[in-house]
Amino acid sequence: AQTVTQSQPEMSVQEAETVTLSCTYDTSESDYYLFWYKQPPSRQMILVIRQEAYKQQNATENRFSVNFQKAAKSFSLKISDSQLGDAAMYFCAPDGFGNEKLTFGTGTRLTIIP
Amino acid sequence: DGGITQSPKYLFRKEGQNVTLSCEQNLNHDAMYWYRQDPGQGLRLIYYSQIVNDFQKGDIAEGYSVSREKKESFPLTVTSAQKNPTAFYLCASSMRPRGAYGYTFGSGTRLTVV
Repeated sequence: AQTVTQSQPEMSVQEAETVTLSCTYDTSESDYYLFWYKQPPSRQMILVIRQEAYKQQNATENRFSVNFQKAAKSFSLKISDSQLGDAAMYFCAPDGFGNEKLTFGTGTRLTIIP
Repeated sequence: DGGITQSPKYLFRKEGQNVTLSCEQNLNHDAMYWYRQDPGQGLRLIYYSQIVNDFQKGDIAEGYSVSREKKESFPLTVTSAQKNPTAFYLCASSMRPRGAYGYTFGSGTRLTVV
């Protein structure tokens, strides 16, 4: 069974600064994907970024990037040039072929300070 | 536009009543999922279905039931056996293999017992 740990229940960052959200996981899969989802106050879940475990290169989507350390089973999300619209809950979720469940962490609430 | 529609947005249930939450998708996705979200917790899987007329229990299936008679529809019934149904419910869908694309979520239903 997969487990996911997000050790930072809450984080805050000044607008335009950079913040990193941490995630560690444990899976028995050898080939899998990792996702970060964002849940703003509207509660709509939005896919932020995904990482393929067999790729060494870290994924990047505009201001969002990941630091993927496969051996350490760590998958952190870096948000650069933070904007007010980035305020949300962020969930880390590993997934694997043949694994019928996408497991979510408990989330990190990110506050942006103007 | 393609997407997932959940209805109603808010639902109130009296003690002892069964209620049904609707989830419809026009993305032609094979798999559909129901998650429950409680304050301070991540998403917990209730039921999932990967093909029509087939579904599996998730981690917290007790007190819930589902059906998958059509590819587009995956309704969730919260029965009177569910002792603490007040929560936010999210429906999601995905192409297979899921890992390549992640989930698309609906906007959720807030269920309150009165």
